[in-house]
Amino acid sequence: SQQGEEDPQALSIQEGENATMNCSYKTSINNLQWYRQNSGRGLVHLILIRSNEREKHSGRLRVTLDTSKKSSSLLITASRAADTASYFCATDTNAGKSTFGDGTTLTVKP
Amino acid sequence: EPEVTQTPSHQVTQMGQEVILRCVPISNHLYFYWYRQILGQKVEFLVSFYNNEISEKSEIFDDQFSVERPDGSNFTLKIRSTKLEDSAMYFCASSSRGPSEAFFGQGTRLTVV
Repeated sequence: SQQGEEDPQALSIQEGENATMNCSYKTSINNLQWYRQNSGRGLVHLILIRSNEREKHSGRLRVTLDTSKKSSSLLITASRAADTASYFCATDTNAGKSTFGDGTTLTVKP
Repeated sequence: EPEVTQTPSHQVTQMGQEVILRCVPISNHLYFYWYRQILGQKVEFLVSFYNNEISEKSEIFDDQFSVERPDGSNFTLKIRSTKLEDSAMYFCASSSRGPSEAFFGQGTRLTVV
């Protein structure tokens, strides 16, 4: 298995609903980040959570990290059509690089 | 807000040609990275650069690739003798504190025909 695997691969919800995406990883990490990517565009850094943190909030985003289960979740509350994008987790180890997952494609229907 | 800029946004090249992808990192950043994303696939690490030398590279980053910081502001990725499978989005990133807090550029879409 690969470092950084998101599930589900695709998620479709109605505007106003909450969206939860999960990420699992295999090796010990220093930090975990979530990124957003609109179709064909660049990566936008959403939030970083350090290995000694369990939860972090930023606006409508809530990220949790469970290092014992080697997993993280990204919750987007009160979703909007503009949240439609792909979301990636990326883990940072001592190797000096970020390792990205396959991503979750979120579609928010108006 | 400072940002990483990449040029060109889209490059089409003939197979076998050399291309240079350009990046202007954020001015006070010391760590520089190139990643690529083949259409529909995950973002893959290529190389990291610190203190004017490569600090880490992936298996993808073979002799076909090279990076350079030709002056104080630019960071380039050169791909020699391009192949069809080099078609991808190439992202440059920079950071003041290592890979975790890297800022990514909008990417250069490379199409090899």
